[in-house]
Amino acid sequence: AQKVTQAQTEISVVEKEDVTLDCVYETRDTTYYLFWYKQPPSGELVFLIRRNSFDEQNEISGRYSWNFQKSTSSFNFTITASQVVDSAVYFCALSELGDDKIIFGKGTRLHILP
Amino acid sequence: DAGVIQSPRHEVTEMGQEVTLRCKPISGHDYLFWYRQTMMRGLELLIYFNNNVPIDDSGMPEDRFSAKMPNASFSTLKIQPSEPRDSAVYFCASSHSNQPQHFGDGTRLSIL
Repeated sequence: AQKVTQAQTEISVVEKEDVTLDCVYETRDTTYYLFWYKQPPSGELVFLIRRNSFDEQNEISGRYSWNFQKSTSSFNFTITASQVVDSAVYFCALSELGDDKIIFGKGTRLHILP
Repeated sequence: DAGVIQSPRHEVTEMGQEVTLRCKPISGHDYLFWYRQTMMRGLELLIYFNNNVPIDDSGMPEDRFSAKMPNASFSTLKIQPSEPRDSAVYFCASSHSNQPQHFGDGTRLSIL
């Protein structure tokens, strides 16, 4: 069965600090996709990234980076030099190849304090 | 290209009333998803369509909920009769095949 666990319910850091959001997943498939979505206070869900299970290269996009490790079934998300605008709920998600559905974690609420 | 468009953005109604939520997916997307988000249960998939055909409605809470997709550019989620426990944010999302889902801004529903 598919499962996504985001153990950190809520995190608070001071602006400019780096912060890592953890995501651990479970799947029996060898081919799958992993996602991160951001939900700012305004409420919309914004797609950030999708990785497939065959691509373990870390990805960097500006201040955002993602660390995918199959050995530990983790897909962690790091924000470098955090800013107040990064305050949001972040969701990690998983879908298996051939399955149209995405399974979301419970989300991590991130507070960036000025 | 416009994103997924949902209406209304907010809905407040009394219990027992019929509620209809609307969604216009991104043009060219062949998948449409309806989700419900609450504090207690997080994001739950209610139902999804492929090429206007319902594929999996196992997430629909009960018979009071129904969804339709009469054409590729429009879908509705209906609750009849509504109950206070239906209060939540309802999201519509669309995607093309195995591509990432793109979400609308959601409808915040309050049943009094």
